[in-house]
Amino acid sequence: DTEVTQTPKHLVMGMTNKKSLKCEQHMGHRAMYWYKQKAKKPPELMFVYSYEKLSINESVPSRFSPECPNSSLLNLHLHALQPEDSALYLCASSQVYPGRVEQYFGPGTRLTVT
Amino acid sequence: AQSVTQPDIHITVSEGASLELRCNYSYGATPYLFWYVQSPGQGLQLLLKYFSGDTLVQGIKGFEAEFKRSQSSFNLRKPSVHWSDAAEYFCAVGARMGGTSYGKLTFGQGTILTVHP
Repeated sequence: DTEVTQTPKHLVMGMTNKKSLKCEQHMGHRAMYWYKQKAKKPPELMFVYSYEKLSINESVPSRFSPECPNSSLLNLHLHALQPEDSALYLCASSQVYPGRVEQYFGPGTRLTVT
Repeated sequence: AQSVTQPDIHITVSEGASLELRCNYSYGATPYLFWYVQSPGQGLQLLLKYFSGDTLVQGIKGFEAEFKRSQSSFNLRKPSVHWSDAAEYFCAVGARMGGTSYGKLTFGQGTILTVHP
């Protein structure tokens, strides 16, 4: 099973709202990733967690706050977003063995900021 | 630094025709190479991967890709395209980050495939 699940599927929020995106995998992967994807563009890496610790933050604004409560779960907390943050947010996971860098993606959360 | 080039932004083929999507990469060592497919509004699905060994790799949905080190290419092929193959295709090169336990993917800009009946 190579399934990564994400909730919600769609989210509309105002610029003053606080919301969270959730990602879950039960493949035993110990690396998890958040990506942002704008229309007609490839995914852009935002954050990487390895063994539940933040390993990469690609200079993402502080209005995006990631959290990895356990090895299966990854959250992205959103606060005071801007309209330009509207995008498809993708979660991915991967194994941590040498030679196994392929990532498995969830279906994404379509975020609209009004 | 690694990079990926997909020269074709948009390709149109007729159903039943053969398909080849081009991908060129730049990477200092032996690369990890991937092809992903994305249907509109969906996540990315891994089609196939190359790490080492046989340079012709088979993937899901009848796709295959050939690694050519001399040309720094990893082109995706399918002998007979189905209407359901219409989607966006991303080539990616992966690197393990030093001695760490995660990898970093660099994606090409993507190729949109349209299939005519």
